[in-house]
Amino acid sequence: AQSVSQHNHHVILSEAASLELGCNYSYGGTVNLFWYVQYPGQHLQLLLKYFSGDPLVKGIKGFEAEFIKSKFSFNLRKPSVQWSDTAEYFCAVRNSGSARQLTFGSGTQLTVLP
Amino acid sequence: DADVTQTPRNRITKTGKRIMLECSQTKGHDRMYWYRQDPGLGLRLIYYSFDVKDINKGEISDGYSVSRQAQAKFSLSLESAIPNQTALYFCATGTGSRETQYFGPGTRLLVL
Repeated sequence: AQSVSQHNHHVILSEAASLELGCNYSYGGTVNLFWYVQYPGQHLQLLLKYFSGDPLVKGIKGFEAEFIKSKFSFNLRKPSVQWSDTAEYFCAVRNSGSARQLTFGSGTQLTVLP
Repeated sequence: DADVTQTPRNRITKTGKRIMLECSQTKGHDRMYWYRQDPGLGLRLIYYSFDVKDINKGEISDGYSVSRQAQAKFSLSLESAIPNQTALYFCATGTGSRETQYFGPGTRLLVL
């Protein structure tokens, strides 16, 4: 079965620090990749997505992610975080053989200190 | 996303009670999903429906049932609630070959 790993469970940064959250998946075929964000008390919102083409994807609020097929990775980055980025971040993967189901990682809680 | 609504937003119930969580969408999407979120486990798929006549079990369907009353409505039922069903439940919708799923605000359920 497909799995998605987010190795960083809780990340604490100061404002203006750079961010990189890891996401690795297990499926070897064609994949669609997503990052969602969940602000405290809110529902999941899409940050960015990758279907094909340029492996460097830019999303909302200054986030970007890079798909590295050889490493089965889709890491999320932001050059300078803000206090308002405090949230939980979820990586999700859909593979071509999974009846279009999304598999989510366990999430990374990001805390940005002012 | 305001186009996907869930009722109730919060619910406290007792073990053994039957409850229903409802999801409605105005996005016109054909696919609808129910997930539960538990701390440290991310979101896990309970059931999904690709159209009104198509219902499929997800990763953790035991103890749950669903009904797709119309394209816009997808309900999740707990026939006899138990404490380990205490969780945050999300409905999502999507469509197309390049589907992105859009989530509702969630229902926080506590089973005593």
